[in-house]
Amino acid sequence: NAGVTQTPKFQVLKTGQSMTLQCAQDMNHNSMYWYRQDPGMGLRLIYYSASEGTTDKGEVPNGYNVSRLNKREFSLRLESAAPSQTSVYFCASSGPGTAGEEQYFGPGTRLTVT
Amino acid sequence: ILNVEQSPQSLHVQEGDSTNFTCSFPSSNFYALHWYRWETAKSPEALFVMTLNGDEKKKGRISATLNTKEGYSYLYIKGSQPEDSATYLCAFGSNYQLIWGAGTKLIIKP
Repeated sequence: NAGVTQTPKFQVLKTGQSMTLQCAQDMNHNSMYWYRQDPGMGLRLIYYSASEGTTDKGEVPNGYNVSRLNKREFSLRLESAAPSQTSVYFCASSGPGTAGEEQYFGPGTRLTVT
Repeated sequence: ILNVEQSPQSLHVQEGDSTNFTCSFPSSNFYALHWYRWETAKSPEALFVMTLNGDEKKKGRISATLNTKEGYSYLYIKGSQPEDSATYLCAFGSNYQLIWGAGTKLIIKP
């Protein structure tokens, strides 16, 4: 099992460009999450999907959109990248989807916006 | 606004010594408390998920306790080894979401 995979691993964008971060899990998990991690701060939830067909905003959703394409895949889109979106992005998944289940993380995407 | 505080921010410990650090979280709307270990250049990995007041969990030399009434959890490492060097994250679970602390960075000195 690959667990949670993310692509790309690194990306450099110019301000105003768009891109989509891809995430897939092969553990048959219901819930998937997108986080960003900035120095000195905890992981901050951008969006989550409690089950296939649903998505909800997290703590920092502005400037992002998501798509839960199917049970396996959850993508994060930056429509017009800004320097403030320079960060490391992690995708995670968990089983039934409540906060009582451990989350499994992908390897992360390091994004730089110039 | 829900806030999760971890202390200390960083900790240098001599190899072989035992250590502990703290996670403080809201005492209302509690669902679960998670501990994760995050090694440099890797992804966070779950250590424990605790849901009941008074829970104690153990994995090898690492253990954790939970007090939901006063809103804190302790993580203990007994006999620290170089491979314990990592950032330890806690997260407060309420409904579907986790609110994360900024982590305690543990450095083991040989």
